[in-house]
Amino acid sequence: DAGVTQSPTHLIKTRGQQVTLRCSPKSGHDTVSWYQQALGQGPQFIFQYYEEEERQRGNFPDRFSGHQFPNYSSELNVNALLLGDSALYLCASSPTGTYNEQFFGPGTRLTVL
Amino acid sequence: QQPVQSPQAVILREGEDAVINCSSSKALYSVHWYRQKHGEAPIFLMILLKGGEQKGHDKISASFNEKKQQSSLYLTASQLSYSGTYFCGTETSGSRLTFGEGTQLTVNP
Repeated sequence: DAGVTQSPTHLIKTRGQQVTLRCSPKSGHDTVSWYQQALGQGPQFIFQYYEEEERQRGNFPDRFSGHQFPNYSSELNVNALLLGDSALYLCASSPTGTYNEQFFGPGTRLTVL
Repeated sequence: QQPVQSPQAVILREGEDAVINCSSSKALYSVHWYRQKHGEAPIFLMILLKGGEQKGHDKISASFNEKKQQSSLYLTASQLSYSGTYFCGTETSGSRLTFGEGTQLTVNP
């Protein structure tokens, strides 16, 4: 059973560019959450998708947007990249319902120069 | 609001025990515990739900004091593989997790 997968593993962009990160949830999971983890800190919630809609959103600007596809996979898009967007971006999937464990993917390391 | 974890760091010798604490100023529906090794994804350890239900690994134990909005993770007879950063994630509503800053655990031979 494949776990949560993310692509790409690493990415280097320059300020002002746009980036798309991808996530495939664990089999049987239909809810996908995205987190940003800066070095030495805990993950910070960006947003969550369920049934192809954004269900919840954290304190991130509109430059961060996402999408969920019918097969439950998801994309995170970041426009007008800033140096401060450099971080590990984690995708976590969970089954339907609240109070369920979330399983994390290996993450995408984004570096903005 | 971000939960507060303590201690920030702890160093153990193999076989020793440790307790990691997590407290929140908000009413919690659940507390999730994860361990993350350097350069890797956080690994799910345990979830503690309001009302007393727990889900997680058999070798990990934890408690959740609903009145105080506090949780503790108990690591007994530590092994070298226990080293890593432990995060608690608190859930106040709608399966959105807010993580603490982490507790760095080092287990030495």
